[in-house]
Amino acid sequence: EAEVAQSPRYKITEKSQAVAFWCDPISGHATLYWYRQILGQGPELLVQFQDESVVDDSQLPKDRFSAERLKGVDSTLKIQPAELGDSAMYLCASSRQDSTYNEQFFGPGTRLTVL
Amino acid sequence: SQQGEEDPQALSIQEGENATMNCSYKTSINNLQWYRQNSGRGLVHLILIRSNEREKHSGRLRVTLDTSKKSSSLLITASRAADTASYFCATVDTGRRALTFGSGTRLQVQP
Repeated sequence: EAEVAQSPRYKITEKSQAVAFWCDPISGHATLYWYRQILGQGPELLVQFQDESVVDDSQLPKDRFSAERLKGVDSTLKIQPAELGDSAMYLCASSRQDSTYNEQFFGPGTRLTVL
Repeated sequence: SQQGEEDPQALSIQEGENATMNCSYKTSINNLQWYRQNSGRGLVHLILIRSNEREKHSGRLRVTLDTSKKSSSLLITASRAADTASYFCATVDTGRRALTFGSGTRLQVQP
């Protein structure tokens, strides 16, 4: 069964350092999402891609976060510089473009700890 | 921002009992979905109910939706220890595709 891949699974970094997370969606899924989940809360959308284009990045802290999906397949989310408050689980999800009701498939996530 | 609240925040039951979780939301929706998350893992889609549906079943899961009250409930019947997880409702708002999640219910099923 096809799955969304993410790496790394865990990342520990010091504040002010740069970090990057990678996501490979299910083959054929045109829509890709990055969510951030703080411990004890539900995920919150950071950025949504349709193919290689950003559809929604209204909640992305653009002074330090960036995301790209250059060829419309895999995607990278970067934080530079990392702050203590960025410690969270970063989840990637994908869905089919023709999915009327938009069931999303999630990867295992990257757990980020900023020291 | 979170769509709304889930109730209860935490629930502990014995194996074989039923578990009911409630979700409230704030906006006009296209559909509402329920996801499960095992500790420290990604989310798994459980069931989807459209805005024009009132009730839906899938195996041991039963979901209801009341759009007039902007609320939904998830019932898990005959619970098992393996059902221990966090459960989140998520809405797809009218005109959007991204999910807006609730705050989740942590379910503990004691063997």
